[in-house]
Amino acid sequence: AQSVSQHNHHVILSEAASLELGCNYSYGGTVNLFWYVQYPGQHLQLLLKYFSGDPLVKGIKGFEAEFIKSKFSFNLRKPSVQWSDTAEYFCAVNARNYGQNFVFGPGTRLSVLP
Amino acid sequence: GAGVSQTPSNKVTEKGKYVELRCDPISGHTALYWYRQSLGQGPEFLIYFQGTGAADDSGLPNDRFFAVRPEGSVSTLKIQRTERGDSAVYLCASSLSGTGTEAFFGQGTRLTVV
Repeated sequence: AQSVSQHNHHVILSEAASLELGCNYSYGGTVNLFWYVQYPGQHLQLLLKYFSGDPLVKGIKGFEAEFIKSKFSFNLRKPSVQWSDTAEYFCAVNARNYGQNFVFGPGTRLSVLP
Repeated sequence: GAGVSQTPSNKVTEKGKYVELRCDPISGHTALYWYRQSLGQGPEFLIYFQGTGAADDSGLPNDRFFAVRPEGSVSTLKIQRTERGDSAVYLCASSLSGTGTEAFFGQGTRLTVV
């Protein structure tokens, strides 16, 4: 079955550390890829998205992600995290050939220590 | 409205009762999604509407769950004979046209079945 996996359940970093959160999906064909963030007590918000073109996409708040088709991956990165980045991060895939819903990974909880 | 609105924000009901959860999407968005999120997990797809019709209801867990979107705008998720296992946050999202467009999420309705 099609699925989205995220490598880490909980990541703990100190401020100014670099971040990379892994995301892999099992869909073939054309996919649209997303990273959503959920800050404590808030709703899901879009960080960035990939539809086509440059595989390195930049999002809000200094986040970026790289689509590597051969690896079925869409890892999220940020060079220097802040305490305010503490949140739950979800990778999601949307693929026309597999219905039109968004399939989410299980999420990675990021805790940034001040 | 400016964003996706869900009501109520919290609902406590007794086992066996019927509940309705409402979603008011962003104006002009033809696609509407319902998801369910349990603690520590990613959103789980329930149903997707394109306009008034349910384009994909493969995520509904059983026939106690039903959703409608009669005029292609507001949607209601209906749960009959609620069970304690139905307790979760129910999320609604809308997007401009489905695949290839990002989804905007509401705050969710926290359903607790006691």
